[in-house]
Amino acid sequence: GAGVSQSPSNKVTEKGKDVELRCDPISGHTALYWYRQRLGQGLEFLIYFQGNSAPDKSGLPSDRFSAERTGESVSTLTIQRTQQEDSAVYLCASRSQGLASYEQYFGPGTRLTVT
Amino acid sequence: GNSVTQMEGPVTLSEEAFLTINCTYTATGYPSLFWYVQYPGEGLQLLLKATKADDKGSNKGFEATYRKETTSFHLEKGSVQVSDSAVYFCALSAETGNQFYFGTGTSLTVIP
Repeated sequence: GAGVSQSPSNKVTEKGKDVELRCDPISGHTALYWYRQRLGQGLEFLIYFQGNSAPDKSGLPSDRFSAERTGESVSTLTIQRTQQEDSAVYLCASRSQGLASYEQYFGPGTRLTVT
Repeated sequence: GNSVTQMEGPVTLSEEAFLTINCTYTATGYPSLFWYVQYPGEGLQLLLKATKADDKGSNKGFEATYRKETTSFHLEKGSVQVSDSAVYFCALSAETGNQFYFGTGTSLTVIP
């Protein structure tokens, strides 16, 4: 079946503009995660959703970052007033349910470049 | 709390060499453990997993054993190939809740 998809695959924006990144999880997956990966770095957890609620927003780096999920499906990550340090690959992952043994499935990522 | 500590890279090996990438964890309860791999230009994909103590995960010649007594999940391969060049991430899934914890990643380059 279809995997996790993300759009756009690449986004170049000017400093100060807002951007919206989209994630379509695998159908039926109740848990959805957002991560940030800077060049040559590891994964930085941003936020996760269980259904439509976000029990853990602790990773959001500032109040310029927000995310929502509707209908236990699509999620959008919004970055307002982008800064150059926001340049990174933003990864989305989904997971069948909240059991420890279930792995995450990752999308291909959105590469964001802030000029 | 929960965390994963992973061997820092980069690691460079000759083809057919033995590979070990160390991973230790801190967790409450009984987590599940994972290795993910990220090939150049691609997304992360699951390499192997182990869901309880003494389980051995294996895939593509890679192995890792869930050692509760040493809180470790070291990745090993007996004979690496050039195509194994990638970044490897160790990860932990907490027994309770939905949170995943990733290590910082280890970059492996295999030279012919």
